[in-house]
Amino acid sequence: EVQLVESGGGLVQPGRSLKLSCAASGFTFSNYGMAWVCQAPTKGLEWVASISTGGGNTYYRDSVKGRFTISRDNAKNTLYLQMDSLRSEDTATYYCARRTTTTFFDYWGQGVMVTVSS
Amino acid sequence: DIQMTQSPSVLSASVGDRVTLNCKASQNINKYLNWYQQKLGEAPKLLIYNTNNLQTGIPSRFSGSGSGTDYTLTISSLQPEDVATYFCFQHNSWPLTFGSGTKLEIK
Repeated sequence: EVQLVESGGGLVQPGRSLKLSCAASGFTFSNYGMAWVCQAPTKGLEWVASISTGGGNTYYRDSVKGRFTISRDNAKNTLYLQMDSLRSEDTATYYCARRTTTTFFDYWGQGVMVTVSS
Repeated sequence: DIQMTQSPSVLSASVGDRVTLNCKASQNINKYLNWYQQKLGEAPKLLIYNTNNLQTGIPSRFSGSGSGTDYTLTISSLQPEDVATYFCFQHNSWPLTFGSGTKLEIK
């Protein structure tokens, strides 16, 4: 069974950093691209960043470029999102999602909440 | 960026009704359009990929169609468990973008 479990969220002050993790199981992690998608409270979904199978290719939405870094450790079956210079508008639930070449984002984790507030 | 516009924003229908949700892209997305269902407090679930392909395990009452800039999700016979918000999503070009969602309610 495919499982994606996010962790590392919490309350953080503006300008500070946070690192999210997504532990994957039930599939061969290194064979799949991965991504982070966020959802602000009562709002819609917003793609944040994607990473290729080996980690060599990364993509970001403009609003997080230079502040967020997506990475992965295939030996640990874990996806990461390093979030620096956090802003109040980054407050959201962050989901990790598995990407396939056919269906695109097929499995999603349950999400982790990030609140940026002083 | 490709803007995805969903309509209506809220839809109220009766059990057994045929329901159609719409999604319009600001430019041609070449059928690279997925539909996700999100129930309250849950993660999104993939229903349809690449316009009209039913994801494994999804009931056959869900179907998708469209081309170019206009896409639809149809539920042939609405069930109580279909209460959710439905999002369309384009993966034709970066940045990847979602629609703002259609909230589906039961009358």
